[in-house]
Amino acid sequence: SQQGEEDPQALSIQEGENATMNCSYKTSINNLQWYRQNSGRGLVHLILIRSNEREKHSGRLRVTLDTSKKSSSLLITASRAADTASYFCATNSGGYQKVTFGTGTKLQVIP
Amino acid sequence: SQTIHQWPATLVQPVGSPLSLECTVEGTSNPNLYWYRQAAGRGLQLLFYSVGIGQISSEVPQNLSASRPQDRQFILSSKKLLLSDSGFYLCAWSVSSKTDTQYFGPGTRLTVL
Repeated sequence: SQQGEEDPQALSIQEGENATMNCSYKTSINNLQWYRQNSGRGLVHLILIRSNEREKHSGRLRVTLDTSKKSSSLLITASRAADTASYFCATNSGGYQKVTFGTGTKLQVIP
Repeated sequence: SQTIHQWPATLVQPVGSPLSLECTVEGTSNPNLYWYRQAAGRGLQLLFYSVGIGQISSEVPQNLSASRPQDRQFILSSKKLLLSDSGFYLCAWSVSSKTDTQYFGPGTRLTVL
């Protein structure tokens, strides 16, 4: 079953605007990751945030984690047309390196 | 550097035919290996994972099987394909340690007719 649920399912914004995607999960986690998938391609790891961290930055990406609410958000600032892709959160809860992926948010950035 | 290969890239097979998808990893040893399936416009469903040669764990009951004959080779098979087996199959690897990042291959698009 899917542990993470992304919200919204789809998002369309103008280039230059910020994009925010949310992920909610159900059980305690060791860490949460965000991945990006261009259409018809494999997933690319973006960022990992551990359960004892609250915020992490990587370039134009900002991830927050609220373990009390079992939720995370991914913010992409100053979006570009090349950011158009699907974004997935993935949670790790177990000891054998298994991660559980959410259903994804499809982001379209209009030039 | 590490690379992961999957083949074929696309496959069209009739119902009832066998299946063999291959995944190989280069540049690392003793990786954890994973097979996922992604239905159109959906998230990823973990099918199998392996922490070593000959060690396969299945996540969902199905008519697919997986094997790991070599350290960096992971094979997904079926004896008789069903229509519901259509989808995008992704192989991934991760370092067998506390690092949980998974690195994905380019995927195989399977259409069962």
